[in-house]
Amino acid sequence: DAGVIQSPRHEVTEMGQEVTLRCKPISGHNSLFWYRQTMMRGLELLIYFNNNVPIDDSGMPEDRFSAKMPNASFSTLKIQPSEPRDSAVYFCATTPRDKSSGANVLTFGAGSRLTVL
Amino acid sequence: SQELEQSPQSLIVQEGKNLTINCTSSKTLYGLYWYKQKYGEGLIFLMMLQKGGEEKSHEKITAKLDEKKQQSSLHITASQPSHAGIYLCGAPSQGGSEKLVFGKGTKLTVNP
Repeated sequence: DAGVIQSPRHEVTEMGQEVTLRCKPISGHNSLFWYRQTMMRGLELLIYFNNNVPIDDSGMPEDRFSAKMPNASFSTLKIQPSEPRDSAVYFCATTPRDKSSGANVLTFGAGSRLTVL
Repeated sequence: SQELEQSPQSLIVQEGKNLTINCTSSKTLYGLYWYKQKYGEGLIFLMMLQKGGEEKSHEKITAKLDEKKQQSSLHITASQPSHAGIYLCGAPSQGGSEKLVFGKGTKLTVNP
């Protein structure tokens, strides 16, 4: 299994530009989470999906951020327009379908490092 | 909301030394997860603790959960340079929730 795949790994853009980050979850994992990591705030949950449906987007900073999961094998996080304060590492993480044990072990992608100039 | 505080924020040790990292929760813990992160990479799952008093070990890393104190500790015995990285603890935001909140991490440096 290739794990959780994120692209791009690095993105440098100018303020005002649109940014789209992509995530391919592990096959069979039905929950998908988008996190943002900064030095100041640590790892913050932005939004998560269950069976492709957004369950909680209370962590999305503002209307400039949007996320979609059109099918079980793909999700996007979009920032439009981008601002310098959006510079961070964005992680996608997924969990498997079987949660009967009560465990919720997240498998993380390698992250997308975004720099907004 | 659930908050996790880790201590220390950073730690520098000599190879071969033992060390402990702590994670303290502001609310009742419904399980505790330990992850390790290397620079430029994602988080790698280490261990999960679900019950008070539970202790788990993997190679030279041991984690314990003290539900009464709302605290978990991660202990590394005879540290090696390969143990270097950032250790993060995570916990469900509330019982039964899929949402995990994380501490800000402890940066570990192991000098050879």
